[in-house]
Amino acid sequence: AQSVTQLDSHVSVSEGTPVLLRCNYSSSYSPSLFWYVQHPNKGLQLLLKYTSAATLVKGINGFEAEFKKSETSFHLTKPSAHMSDAAEYFCVVSAHNDYKLSFGAGTTVTVRA
Amino acid sequence: GAGVSQTPSNKVTEKGKYVELRCDPISGHTALYWYRQSLGQGPEFLIYFQGTGAADDSGLPNDRFFAVRPEGSVSTLKIQRTERGDSAVYLCASSRMTGNEQFFGPGTRLTVL
Repeated sequence: AQSVTQLDSHVSVSEGTPVLLRCNYSSSYSPSLFWYVQHPNKGLQLLLKYTSAATLVKGINGFEAEFKKSETSFHLTKPSAHMSDAAEYFCVVSAHNDYKLSFGAGTTVTVRA
Repeated sequence: GAGVSQTPSNKVTEKGKYVELRCDPISGHTALYWYRQSLGQGPEFLIYFQGTGAADDSGLPNDRFFAVRPEGSVSTLKIQRTERGDSAVYLCASSRMTGNEQFFGPGTRLTVL
């Protein structure tokens, strides 16, 4: 079985400062890992995914995440937050190439001007 | 092209009533998924269709929930004898094939009074 734990329910940052969203996973198999973003009244959008290739994954809008097997972590970072980054972020795990996604509880990001 | 669409965007009903939620996937996508997102939680898998058939309905909470996809495109999630605990956002996603990136719709917010 697969599961994820997002360590922060809410993160607040100032515009132009780094963002760090923490995620730990549990998986019985070699996992696929994802980060999705959800803006209000919009569908979930894939930011990036890890599928056993490079451990440092670059995504859209300047986000990146690093897969660390020894720490069972997949933290999401961005060097400089923008106001448009305010949203809900979900860490997601599935068994490799499986269709069933298991979502974390989400982290709400607010960006202060 | 058009993304995944869901109708209605909001549905308010009374306890005990029957409701239908519709999902229009991206044209040509053979796989379709339903998830349920309760307040403050991440989405949870309900059911997955490959073509017209439900390949995995293990996430449906009980037999009041049923979904169909008769022509392999549009899908309808049906809930009988609704209960207050069914209140949630119901999300639909589609992918070109099983295991490919899932594209999510904006969801239907169901409120059972």
